Amino acid sequence: DADVTQTPRNRITKTGKRIMLECSQTKGHDRMYWYRQDPGLGLRLIYYSFDVKDINKGEISDGYSVSRQAQAKFSLSLESAIPNQTALYFCATSVLKPLAGGGLDETQYFGPGTRLLVL
Amino acid sequence: KQEVTQIPAALSVPEGENLVLNCSFTDSAIYNLQWFRQDPGKGLTSLLLIQSSQREQTSGRLNASLDKSSGRSTLYIAASQPGDSATYLCAVMSSGSARQLTFGSGTQLTVLP
Repeated sequence: DADVTQTPRNRITKTGKRIMLECSQTKGHDRMYWYRQDPGLGLRLIYYSFDVKDINKGEISDGYSVSRQAQAKFSLSLESAIPNQTALYFCATSVLKPLAGGGLDETQYFGPGTRLLVL
Repeated sequence: KQEVTQIPAALSVPEGENLVLNCSFTDSAIYNLQWFRQDPGKGLTSLLLIQSSQREQTSGRLNASLDKSSGRSTLYIAASQPGDSATYLCAVMSSGSARQLTFGSGTQLTVLP
């Protein structure tokens, strides 16, 4: 979705280096998420944020940190990269909207992904 | 802990065939179930979202069903086309999980011309 952008799209780094992955969105959504995807596995949630001052750990937060600088930006940092952090990283956004038939629309919209290789 | 399984992991069909992708989950206490499509080099695209109170959702040639009590969902694709080739991911939002999605590992679909 062009409304959710991620930079860089590809990154090669070395063990022990600190790196940052950036996510920006123009959808005006308040909720943002970081996932990683490994071959043969589904996406796993790293961190999520429901507002600028809200940060929550997901299933696999160890070794990662995040920053929600503004509603439109959510950054993921690897403080000291290690080879098993080699993966495809996705950012996503959502906003709760009531549905006409009842319930809430909680569809998540994903960025194109960042492919990270840690040597 | 919620676990989501998708079978088969890969599927190849001739163009024009109707097909069904399967998704099962272990905890029936869910808010909703979502089906996504993933194309190489691109992010995930949401296809259908089924609320826990719903039995099915339809969008064009796609129909998704939900049987919450048995922990199953199916994605039916009618009259498949080569452009349908992609990986299809199922994800459930469990009750009490602070709106977190648990994903299956996906079914890689190839539609042969």
